[in-house]
Amino acid sequence: DTGVSQDPRHKITKRGQNVTFRCDPISEHNRLYWYRQTLGQGPEFLTYFQNEAQLEKSRLLSDRFSAERPKGSFSTLEIQRTEQGDSAMYLCASNMAGELFFGEGSRLTVL
Amino acid sequence: AQSVTQLDSHVSVSEGTPVLLRCNYSSSYSPSLFWYVQHPNKGLQLLLKYTSAATLVKGINGFEAEFKKSETSFHLTKPSAHMSDAAEYFCVVSPPPNFGNEKLTFGTGTRLTIIP
Repeated sequence: DTGVSQDPRHKITKRGQNVTFRCDPISEHNRLYWYRQTLGQGPEFLTYFQNEAQLEKSRLLSDRFSAERPKGSFSTLEIQRTEQGDSAMYLCASNMAGELFFGEGSRLTVL
Repeated sequence: AQSVTQLDSHVSVSEGTPVLLRCNYSSSYSPSLFWYVQHPNKGLQLLLKYTSAATLVKGINGFEAEFKKSETSFHLTKPSAHMSDAAEYFCVVSPPPNFGNEKLTFGTGTRLTIIP
């Protein structure tokens, strides 16, 4: 257990529905990252925050994806109008001294 | 720009024999390099990291990696494989620490199988 918590661990939804994932980083870590991992691939960077500021979001896959970290602590990743291609593992990580600590991920299945 | 290539998608070794997982990187700066391990249904765990100090880096569980700038390689090795080493291994490149951004770029992974 790295101390980074993600919820839910598994989500099954129907195409067109909205889903939201939550990440609770290690409390003293000010940077938080979201990655997506599809089957047989390495994790792919989506976005990251320093405290509450979203410093890069250009890699968010479409305008259906959005992320927030309103108080600089936990973060949420929302996917609107889900599509089957959104099925993947969504990973959160927080940073301390150059090392990223990853949560166990939230697995999304879109039917 | 940065990228990383893991040369083998699958590696199988017998228990007790050496492990070699190969990684080549490309970067327009002096990068930081990492190896992460992912066991089934578990999160990614850092094995070791290189950040421009010693070129031979020792990590957890007996793993080590050598940074070779001339070959743009960062291969992962272990002298003697253990059954518990069976997992997916990712080679990762990131900008150096003074860039102030730890945006990691992952390779596609190498699945390590240990034969009893």
